[in-house]
Amino acid sequence: DAGVTQSPTHLIKTRGQQVTLRCSPISGHKSVSWYQQVLGQGPQFIFQYYEKEERGRGNFPDRFSARQFPNYSSELNVNALLLGDSALYLCASSLPGQGALNEKLFFGSGTQLSVL
Amino acid sequence: AQSVTQPDIHITVSEGASLELRCNYSYGATPYLFWYVQSPGQGLQLLLKYFSGDTLVQGIKGFEAEFKRSQSSFNLRKPSVHWSDAAEYFCAVAGTSGTYKYIFGTGTRLKVLA
Repeated sequence: DAGVTQSPTHLIKTRGQQVTLRCSPISGHKSVSWYQQVLGQGPQFIFQYYEKEERGRGNFPDRFSARQFPNYSSELNVNALLLGDSALYLCASSLPGQGALNEKLFFGSGTQLSVL
Repeated sequence: AQSVTQPDIHITVSEGASLELRCNYSYGATPYLFWYVQSPGQGLQLLLKYFSGDTLVQGIKGFEAEFKRSQSSFNLRKPSVHWSDAAEYFCAVAGTSGTYKYIFGTGTRLKVLA
């Protein structure tokens, strides 16, 4: 089975532009989470979506938004890009409701966003 | 506030030597605890997790971790390091409410000398 896939793998934008990142979860997984990983730091939680509804939001400005589609894929949108938005954006999928022992995140390889 | 501290930014060990990576957490209740590994340019791979029960948990690639409630620690260990273990290691904590807001530490970069 395919793992979590993200596209594009790399992206270069300029300040003020808008960007859309895409994520396809593992087949059968209904929850998608987004994380931002700035160079030299651990991943920071941005959003979690489950069954197309937002279940959690991290401490990020309203320039960040996301949605989940009926096929459980997801998009992360960032408007009015700032230099500080340069980071690796990770998507993770999971299968909630299967009991504590099965709760874990499966991460994609990420989209490296550079804002110039 | 919930937090995870990995006090060692970089660790260098010789191949075949033992390894211990430190992780301390701050959490109001019994957390879920995880160790992930990240190779350059890659996503994170789960090494092991602790939810309850036996405080010594075994993971993949020969790693183990021990949960010590009294010390709020969840240190990762491996008895004999291989050159392929060179990577960045992240400790994470998550709540038990079913949400997936993982809080990650800043990571420990492991270098292995041949």
